[in-house]
Amino acid sequence: IAGITQAPTSQILAAGRRMTLRCTQDMRHNAMYWYRQDLGLGLRLIHYSNTAGTTGKGEVPDGYSVSRANTDDFPLTLASAVPSQTSVYFCASISEETYEQYFGPGTRLTVT
Amino acid sequence: SQQGEEDPQALSIQEGENATMNCSYKTSINNLQWYRQNSGRGLVHLILIRSNEREKHSGRLRVTLDTSKKSSSLLITASRAADTASYFCATDANRGSTLGRLYFGRGTQLTVWP
Repeated sequence: IAGITQAPTSQILAAGRRMTLRCTQDMRHNAMYWYRQDLGLGLRLIHYSNTAGTTGKGEVPDGYSVSRANTDDFPLTLASAVPSQTSVYFCASISEETYEQYFGPGTRLTVT
Repeated sequence: SQQGEEDPQALSIQEGENATMNCSYKTSINNLQWYRQNSGRGLVHLILIRSNEREKHSGRLRVTLDTSKKSSSLLITASRAADTASYFCATDANRGSTLGRLYFGRGTQLTVWP
């Protein structure tokens, strides 16, 4: 793999169900991010991780949790999905040399 | 919020014309970045300009930054149909523990007609 991969590509989920969105990078970047993108609102930061073993809250963290057990993986979990979490979710990492963020292809989630 | 705001929201031009998009922000920054997003895809980094820079070029892209006005512009010269995409500015005002945290605007949807 090269760059950032996300899985699944898309998902329809019943409200109240638990869901984990997966994100993996192979660039050995320390910092990673989860964003959600909604029409008319741009990208908003959900959670971030500066390095393995640490996480922090972003702009819209409620209803989401993350973990960072190692450098490569940064899963995002919805403990009990609600319709307002219908969105496109992007995972990203940052190069500490160039400060460029690299984005995954996104997961389109629909909560019904 | 220190979120960047792009202007215009949508821009429609013919191939060969230049496209200019603007971004305004609210607080002081370390750098400002422009990203491109094709429909249904993730964002791709285009260019980064630091707070002590005023202008930067990359191929057909030209970015300016005016920190006194808290604004930036992205110019795409000699546009092509393949430039059709959404363009986002993102500001990095990182002061502290969050490395590289970016604040994105809502984007400009550029359509280039052949």
